[in-house]
Amino acid sequence: EVQLVESGGGLVQPGGSLRLSCAASGFSFSTNSMNWVRQAPGKGLEWVSYISSGSSNIYYADSVKGRFTISRDNAKNSLSLQMNSLRDEDTAVYYCARGLDTRVATPIAYWGQGTLVTVSS
Amino acid sequence: DIQMTQSPSSLSASIGDRVTITCRASQGISDYLAWYQQKPGKVPKLLIYAASTLHSGVPSRFSGSGSGTDFTLTISSLQPEDVATYYCQRYNSAPRTFGQGTKVEIK
Repeated sequence: EVQLVESGGGLVQPGGSLRLSCAASGFSFSTNSMNWVRQAPGKGLEWVSYISSGSSNIYYADSVKGRFTISRDNAKNSLSLQMNSLRDEDTAVYYCARGLDTRVATPIAYWGQGTLVTVSS
Repeated sequence: DIQMTQSPSSLSASIGDRVTITCRASQGISDYLAWYQQKPGKVPKLLIYAASTLHSGVPSRFSGSGSGTDFTLTISSLQPEDVATYYCQRYNSAPRTFGQGTKVEIK
């Protein structure tokens, strides 16, 4: 069974930093691309970032480019999102998400339960 | 960047009604279009991918169509458990933009 468990969320002041982690199990982590998707309270889904299986292709939403860094450790079956220069509008539940299959262009089929990040003074 | 626009933003229909939600891409995306269902307080679920392929375990009353820029999600006979917000998403390249969502309620 595919399992994705996020951690690292919490309350942080504007301008601060936070590092989210996602522990993956139940599948071959090293052969699957991964994503971070967020959802602000009461709002819709926003794709944040993508990383290919071998980390050779990395993409970001314009709203986080230059502030967030996605990375993965295939030896530890772990995905991370380093978030710097946080803003109020970054407040959201952050989901770790896996594609349906190992193709580059694949929809998201597996989601973690999410971790809440609150940016507030 | 390619924008994804869903309509309507919300709808109310009766049990058994046929419900249609549309998603329009600002540029052609071939059939790299997925539909998700998110029930209140729950994680999103994949319903349809490749514009018209039903994901495993999804009831057959859900269907998708379209290619290029115009796509449709249809619920052939609305059920109480279909109350949710539905999102489209392009996944052919970055940014993998979601539509703004369509909230479906029972009349």
